[in-house]
Amino acid sequence: NAGVTQTPKFRILKIGQSMTLQCTQDMNHNYMYWYRQDPGMGLKLIYYSVGAGITDKGEVPNGYNVSRSTTEDFPLRLELAAPSQTSVYFCASSSTGISSEQYFGPGTRLTVT
Amino acid sequence: GQQLNQSPQSMFIQEGEDVSMNCTSSSIFNTWLWYKQDPGEGPVLLIALYKAGELTSNGRLTAQFGITRKDSFLNISASIPSDVGIYFCAGQLMEYGNKLVFGAGTILRVKS
Repeated sequence: NAGVTQTPKFRILKIGQSMTLQCTQDMNHNYMYWYRQDPGMGLKLIYYSVGAGITDKGEVPNGYNVSRSTTEDFPLRLELAAPSQTSVYFCASSSTGISSEQYFGPGTRLTVT
Repeated sequence: GQQLNQSPQSMFIQEGEDVSMNCTSSSIFNTWLWYKQDPGEGPVLLIALYKAGELTSNGRLTAQFGITRKDSFLNISASIPSDVGIYFCAGQLMEYGNKLVFGAGTILRVKS
């Protein structure tokens, strides 16, 4: 199993550009999450999904959108990139519940200039 | 937002020393998880705790779920250079829809 994979690894965006961060898991987990990590801070939940077709907002959803058309994939969309979205983004998945053991991808480092 | 205080913020210790770090909160948690993050990588789960008072070991790592359910600690015995990284606690908070809240992390550096 590859676990949770994320692409791209790094990306630089100009203000106002849009992009999609890809996340795929091959563990057949129902629950998937997107977090952002800023220096010296813990992980903040952006959006999560409890199954295909179901998504919900986390703590910091503004400026982002998600979709979950399959169990495996959970892309994160930035429509109008802003410098405040410069961060490292992590996707995670878990099998049995929103609080159960979450497995993380390697992250995408995004810079918006 | 939800507050989970992790300390110390960083540690620089000699190889072979024991390490202790903890997370505290004014809220009651139902689950505690401890993760380690290596540079350029995602967090990796070390230990999961599900009951108040639970003490769990994973090799040289030991973690406990505080009896008040408001805290947890992680101990690393006989540290080695590969223990270097950032350690995060995460707690499941019922008032946050059972989602996880993460501490800010403890940066561990080991002198060999």
